[in-house]
Amino acid sequence: DAGITQSPRYKITETGRQVTLMCHQTWSHSYMFWYRQDLGHGLRLIYYSAAADITDKGEVPDGYVVSRSKTENFPLTLESATRSQTSVYFCASSEQLNYGYTFGSGTRLTVV
Amino acid sequence: SQQGEEDPQALSIQEGENATMNCSYKTSINNLQWYRQNSGRGLVHLILIRSNEREKHSGRLRVTLDTSKKSSSLLITASRAADTASYFCATDVGDYKLSFGAGTTVTVRA
Repeated sequence: DAGITQSPRYKITETGRQVTLMCHQTWSHSYMFWYRQDLGHGLRLIYYSAAADITDKGEVPDGYVVSRSKTENFPLTLESATRSQTSVYFCASSEQLNYGYTFGSGTRLTVV
Repeated sequence: SQQGEEDPQALSIQEGENATMNCSYKTSINNLQWYRQNSGRGLVHLILIRSNEREKHSGRLRVTLDTSKKSSSLLITASRAADTASYFCATDVGDYKLSFGAGTTVTVRA
């Protein structure tokens, strides 16, 4: 199916564990983004990518790592999960500048 | 830090009424976008207005942009129950990264 898919949809992990959230898009959009959504903060940018092998930090990158070896995939890794990383994570892609984003359905992550 | 701030935080209206929400931002922008988020879902792009545009329409949506006041408004006309959602403005300052506000929660009562 065409679109942008995130997996898993829900994840519970323990403090200190490494966890990877997956994001896959089928359009070959150049730009991809990871946001987290928390009550009272709206969406905050974690990392973004302009193309394969080009990534950069957003507003709240600490504790996260990304890679983009292929245009269609943009995984987000929490190296050592903390309770403060409990959030809903959204992946998004955009075809080019001055275009709207297409968002995935999100991953609800709980760190216990 | 958030570039855009929506006002009001929450809005409750009767079906058939119009809903208006505002967005203020701090720095010069390349474009401003509005998104809708239904409960438990991802955001859906509604409309994009460029800095040299003043008004844009899409179906029952009307967006205005006043760059001198650094503000935008989203009007939903003849609201329906399906319009119940959170609405976010997002600003692009020219580096293709969008900065989102905290959103306005709209409830449409039958």
